[in-house]
Amino acid sequence: DTGVSQDPRHKITKRGQNVTFRCDPISEHNRLYWYRQTLGQGPEFLTYFQNEAQLEKSRLLSDRFSAERPKGSFSTLEIQRTEQGDSAMYLCASSFMWGGEGTEAFFGQGTRLTVV
Amino acid sequence: GDSVTQMEGPVTLSEEAFLTINCTYTATGYPSLFWYVQYPGEGLQLLLKATKADDKGSNKGFEATYRKETTSFHLEKGSVQVSDSAVYFCALGADTGRRALTFGSGTRLQVQP
Repeated sequence: DTGVSQDPRHKITKRGQNVTFRCDPISEHNRLYWYRQTLGQGPEFLTYFQNEAQLEKSRLLSDRFSAERPKGSFSTLEIQRTEQGDSAMYLCASSFMWGGEGTEAFFGQGTRLTVV
Repeated sequence: GDSVTQMEGPVTLSEEAFLTINCTYTATGYPSLFWYVQYPGEGLQLLLKATKADDKGSNKGFEATYRKETTSFHLEKGSVQVSDSAVYFCALGADTGRRALTFGSGTRLQVQP
């Protein structure tokens, strides 16, 4: 396993366009997280999945954002009608949780979105 | 809600100097505490962690002790190297529920030869 992979690494889009990012977690991990990181800040939680179920969405995740994890494996994050304020690094992380125990989160290298 | 505060950077040190990056937190329950590092052009990597009070996490010469009484998790290294230049993030993970991480804003470390 090569770790958490994200695609694309960079995306430049015009304001108003839709974009979709993909995350492939570590294969045996049942939890998948999306974070957003803006320049000079730490990552901020957006949403997470336990297997295919999306269990929580942050207030940062506006109606223009949607995330899926259809088969409990890879996940997609779509942003509709992009705005300049959406420009950020979007990070995916995965972990394994069972009962009260689990692994730490492993992060992908992120997708850097620039909205022009 | 949960929050993490860490010292602002950049921190600039000469090689072999002693490093301290302060981190304090606010949380309910009994969170786990982490230090992640982000080298230039790379993703976040876990540096060390501690899961309960008085635990000491250590890795690659870095150490941090979980101090519940002062709600702190300061990162230390006795002798830094140029290769330690990176951004360091302190984070906490709730002990129940989603377990997503709450990060500090990061501290950039620059080590000069």
